[in-house]
Amino acid sequence: SQQGEEDPQALSIQEGENATMNCSYKTSINNLQWYRQNSGRGLVHLILIRSNEREKHSGRLRVTLDTSKKSSSLLITASRAADTASYFCAKRPNAGGTSYGKLTFGQGTILTVHP
Amino acid sequence: NAGVTQTPKFQVLKTGQSMTLQCAQDMNHEYMSWYRQDPGMGLRLIHYSVGAGITDQGEVPNGYNVSRSTTEDFPLRLLSAAPSQTSVYFCASSSWGDTHNEQFFGPGTRLTVL
Repeated sequence: SQQGEEDPQALSIQEGENATMNCSYKTSINNLQWYRQNSGRGLVHLILIRSNEREKHSGRLRVTLDTSKKSSSLLITASRAADTASYFCAKRPNAGGTSYGKLTFGQGTILTVHP
Repeated sequence: NAGVTQTPKFQVLKTGQSMTLQCAQDMNHEYMSWYRQDPGMGLRLIHYSVGAGITDQGEVPNGYNVSRSTTEDFPLRLLSAAPSQTSVYFCASSSWGDTHNEQFFGPGTRLTVL
């Protein structure tokens, strides 16, 4: 089963509105990462939050992490048409050895921002 | 830096054929990985490597082989292609250890197995 389940599966908003995407996971993590994918392209890293952090900001992005609820949220403020893309969360397990390498992705949220 | 490169960009195979998807990175990253992306399934980890000579299985390793003889290259082999392996394949790399380990992705290889 996939770790890092996301909702909503699709989100459609108008330019200027905020977009919130959620990610849940099942087992202990070392860090959680958010990625963006434009149609037909590879993924691009947006932001990483560690298990001992609760909130991080990067430009118009705000990520929160609640380890007690095993969930994270990505907020994009003042969205633009150029933010239209798929957004994925990925979790890095809190494991030793090579198991630390099992970065697993959720199914993603398709965000459409209408001009 | 070229980053992560993948070849070919597109490939069509017949069932039972074999092929190798190439992946290379020039960032001296220890960690490399292969994912497949299917509609509605997100990315699923096939195999990964934490350094030359060290590989491990991900979520969906069956039907795929990997090896890591150099830091730069991490090829993915399909020994006997099946229609279920029709997908978009992404290679990624990152530094290893408890440091900034954001993944850098290649552009992908679109594989169709008839």
